[in-house]
Amino acid sequence: QSALTQPASVSGSPGQSITISCTGTSTDVGGYNYVSWYQHHPGKAPKLIIYEVDTRPSGISFRFSGSKYGHTASLTISGLQAEDEADYYCTSYSRSSPCVFGTGTKVTVL
Amino acid sequence: QVQLQESGPGLVKPSQTLSLTCTVSGGSISSGYYSSWIRQHPGKGLEWIGYIYYTGSTYYNPSLKSRVTISVDTSNNQFSLKLRSVTAADTAVYYCATSAGSVAPFDYWGQGTLVTVSS
Repeated sequence: QSALTQPASVSGSPGQSITISCTGTSTDVGGYNYVSWYQHHPGKAPKLIIYEVDTRPSGISFRFSGSKYGHTASLTISGLQAEDEADYYCTSYSRSSPCVFGTGTKVTVL
Repeated sequence: QVQLQESGPGLVKPSQTLSLTCTVSGGSISSGYYSSWIRQHPGKGLEWIGYIYYTGSTYYNPSLKSRVTISVDTSNNQFSLKLRSVTAADTAVYYCATSAGSVAPFDYWGQGTLVTVSS
């Protein structure tokens, strides 16, 4: 099972919006609405920020939103803040495994 | 609030077995959690290793299946990972995490523990 493809890095200035893509295939992202996104600050536990493509857990800022089109899921961070600087990972259920992670994206706030 | 804590040796010799335990507090594994192990190689992304349901049923990452065993101890609210025949490529930060279903997201995570494979 290959990892889902994410851009290695995305950057933006405070207040801007950025979008991180997560590309898979018809047997994972494209076939199921079980895409989640995690924020990971190095040295800390990853934090769930989106699940089932576009649902925010309680307590997660509305600045985080998710979507999916075809085989690609996306995470958008609006009103970028310094605290958003972290690594972001998508996951998806797949036909061959309950969980496959994306390659990870480092978000830099300029 | 559910909390998870990994424990185990931080150094394992090549060809030996890596053994880690995750202790769950603030909630009961027997209430229906799927308990997973996830790892992150140095400077790399996250990799799901496998999960166990409190009944003992397991599902492993196909790429690691031949070397992995995950077990659960409901009486102590713990679950464990054994990874056999380790090499330097198994050096990673190992996280335990729980989810409410087999396809549910990981809603609780441990802080992670670094395991280095070296002689």
